[in-house]
Amino acid sequence: AQSVSQHNHHVILSEAASLELGCNYSYGGTVNLFWYVQYPGQHLQLLLKYFSGDPLVKGIKGFEAEFIKSKFSFNLRKPSVQWSDTAEYFCAVNTKAAGNKLTFGGGTRVLVKP
Amino acid sequence: EPEVTQTPSHQVTQMGQEVILRCVPISNHLYFYWYRQILGQKVEFLVSFYNNEISEKSEIFDDQFSVERPDGSNFTLKIRSTKLEDSAMYFCASRETQTGNPYNEQFFGPGTRLTVL
Repeated sequence: AQSVSQHNHHVILSEAASLELGCNYSYGGTVNLFWYVQYPGQHLQLLLKYFSGDPLVKGIKGFEAEFIKSKFSFNLRKPSVQWSDTAEYFCAVNTKAAGNKLTFGGGTRVLVKP
Repeated sequence: EPEVTQTPSHQVTQMGQEVILRCVPISNHLYFYWYRQILGQKVEFLVSFYNNEISEKSEIFDDQFSVERPDGSNFTLKIRSTKLEDSAMYFCASRETQTGNPYNEQFFGPGTRLTVL
């Protein structure tokens, strides 16, 4: 069965700082990878996804993520954060073997100080 | 933009009572899901539903749980006899099917916070 781990539980940054959130998964076969964001009081929203092709994917709100197959990683990045990026970020995977259910990481709470 | 909606936003119940959590998926979506997140823990898959039947369920989804699509728009999760450990945020999600792309995005609702006393 697949699993997902996110390295940081909490991250505190100042505005304009760069953000990188780690995500590693364990699964030996083909995976589809997702980053979801949950702003305070709101529902989970998709930031970006990777199915195949270019391992560097760009999402909404200036976020990008890089799939490194050899490292089983799918880290999320943003070069310059804003106060409005304060949220919880979830990495998730699904696999053909596991059907279409999503397996989530534990989430990373990001606080951007103005 | 179409959204998944869930009601109620917060449900408080006594242990042993039945609860029904309701979801209205996006109208042209055909796959439906329930996930839950116990406070401080990961979001966990409970069940997926397609073509009026369960397509997959987790070990969490025992006989106390059931899902139904009673009227073609609502998608409900019933917990027959709630336990303290059922306290969690319950998320509904739906997905449009696309030929050749079975892993497209799941759209999530805002969640129902269930508190079992």
